[in-house]
Amino acid sequence: EAQVTQNPRYLITVTGKKLTVTCSQNMNHEYMSWYRQDPGLGLRQIYYSMNVEVTDKGDVPEGYKVSRKEKRNFPLILESPSPNQTSLYFCASSLMGTDTQYFGPGTRLTVL
Amino acid sequence: EDKVVQSPLSLVVHEGDTVTLNCSYEVTNFRSLLWYKQEKKAPTFLFMLTSSGIEKKSGRLSSILDKKELFSILNITATQTGDSAIYLCAAAGGTSYGKLTFGQGTILTVHP
Repeated sequence: EAQVTQNPRYLITVTGKKLTVTCSQNMNHEYMSWYRQDPGLGLRQIYYSMNVEVTDKGDVPEGYKVSRKEKRNFPLILESPSPNQTSLYFCASSLMGTDTQYFGPGTRLTVL
Repeated sequence: EDKVVQSPLSLVVHEGDTVTLNCSYEVTNFRSLLWYKQEKKAPTFLFMLTSSGIEKKSGRLSSILDKKELFSILNITATQTGDSAIYLCAAAGGTSYGKLTFGQGTILTVHP
């Protein structure tokens, strides 16, 4: 089944403890993105990647890192999480030359 | 700065009613307008519009784009309780694919 998967789905952590949220897609898509969703603000793009080793900042990149070492994986790294990064995070992917993005199931992160 | 604004932010109707959701955008090098439906999980793709004045339809849902006035509408006729969801509008533009700007979303609640 064609899909985008994320792990973990739920995470509660404490301020300053480094964490990684994994994202993987099995559709051979070139483009991958990370978003955060907060009430009243909609989905805001954190980072996106056009292909292996090619990434760019979205609208809210501060406090996040990404890497794209393999085409299917696009992990999101929080080196020193803070409470204002408590949010619902979505990974998405799309084919080269198309705008339609397909979303993973989401990761609900709470930083205490 | 790219911007997408949706209205209304929330809407409560009864089954059988027709609703119109609005989306206006200001995006550099605009390419396409996308609509997603989000229930208690990941956003799922509904429509992508690239040409002005061409209506896209899927069952009771339809959407149209006006590139001159920079807006799109999503119509849902004969609403059902299963239509209750957040409806998200996103605009694609810029110099590369992979970057979407989302609106805040419209929360639609359909009562029996």
